[in-house]
Amino acid sequence: GAGVSQSPRYKVAKRGQDVALRCDPISGHVSLFWYQQALGQGPEFLTYFQNEAQLDKSGLPSDRFFAERPEGSVSTLKIQRTQKEDSAVYLCASSLMGAEKLFFGSGTQLSVL
Amino acid sequence: GQNIDQPTEMTATEGAIVQINCTYQTSGFNGLFWYQQHAGEAPTFLSYNVLDGLEEKGRFSSFLSRSKGYSYLLLKELQMKDSASYLCAVREERGSYIPTFGRGTSLIVHP
Repeated sequence: GAGVSQSPRYKVAKRGQDVALRCDPISGHVSLFWYQQALGQGPEFLTYFQNEAQLDKSGLPSDRFFAERPEGSVSTLKIQRTQKEDSAVYLCASSLMGAEKLFFGSGTQLSVL
Repeated sequence: GQNIDQPTEMTATEGAIVQINCTYQTSGFNGLFWYQQHAGEAPTFLSYNVLDGLEEKGRFSSFLSRSKGYSYLLLKELQMKDSASYLCAVREERGSYIPTFGRGTSLIVHP
């Protein structure tokens, strides 16, 4: 595709509900990153994939957060039993190889009520 | 770990020049990025510095001093559309070389 695509753009969830956020990276990009951005803050790293391999998940805040990229293209970030503190914008980024210039999607704004 | 510091907010006048500073502490520096982010939009890449000195790209320039742990982004001939958040991100020689972002500097350009 022309750019990184994320869906849904907005998601409202009740506390305790499970959510799944989708990321479609730029075609041919090997590396994929998930970041969490709270209001007024910079993006905080969550996890990193190279093709289908999850090479770094050190930023995932708890075991309620799970990410996958089974075919090395589309990625899904799943949050189980959402809590209010999970409310944030979830940004996906891809790069051709490694962590050089990242191309970001517009993000999914998650609000947990 | 890393400690990245940049001012929270700056204001400037249309047509003027503004310098946004970023200081960092890291154990193994491997590059510094600047991104621009308009409200509600994706961050977009502005510059990447890995060696000391000034990199100029149109109205935007970025400077790096590795010995001082310091960078700045210089914006010339400011336009209203330059009102945005400017994010400094540092990459470390550790693990997967993932960029760590500062909290961003919100720049407001007024007429």
